[in-house]
Amino acid sequence: EDQVTQSPEALRLQEGESSSLNCSYTVSGLRGLFWYRQDPGKGPEFLFTLYSAGEEKEKERLKATLTKKESFLHITAPKPEDSATYLCAVLETSGSRLTFGEGTQLTVNP
Amino acid sequence: KAGVTQTPRYLIKTRGQQVTLSCSPISGHRSVSWYQQTPGQGLQFLFEYFSETQRNKGNFPGRFSGRQFSNSRSEMNVSTLELGDSALYLCASSRTASGETQYFGPGTRLLVL
Repeated sequence: EDQVTQSPEALRLQEGESSSLNCSYTVSGLRGLFWYRQDPGKGPEFLFTLYSAGEEKEKERLKATLTKKESFLHITAPKPEDSATYLCAVLETSGSRLTFGEGTQLTVNP
Repeated sequence: KAGVTQTPRYLIKTRGQQVTLSCSPISGHRSVSWYQQTPGQGLQFLFEYFSETQRNKGNFPGRFSGRQFSNSRSEMNVSTLELGDSALYLCASSRTASGETQYFGPGTRLLVL
């Protein structure tokens, strides 16, 4: 059974203080790993898809990386508007369902 | 390009009632998946439809059902509602059923009293 574990559960940063969120996964075969951002009361907003170990994607202050066991979401010089819950999900080669982690709740204080 | 839309956005029902939620995917997307999100369980997969056929189903009781129409719009139905069915129900669409990126709608917040 696919497993996705995100850490930390919650993270408080000062504006400008860079950090990383972790997503470790166990799947029989990885088709893709997805990062989403979710604001309270809203649906998840797509950020990145990573398909193979060594792949990196960047968007503004966010950078996602992938290894064979885990993915990192690096946040450089965050701003208060980056405050949200960040969700990681995996899709295995034999299926079409996303398995989500519990998420990391990020708060960036001004 | 319009995103995924879900109706209604909020719903209050009582135990024992049934409810139908609707999802319109992004234009050109043929795969629709449904998820339940609760504070305790996180996001849990309900089912996926592609070309009007259910391709995958999660571990939910038979009270949860769905269907997809020829225009790719989808509905999910929950019968005999229980208090534990209170959740945010999310619909996601993708172009095909081959595991491409899924884009989520805003969700329907269901409260069962």
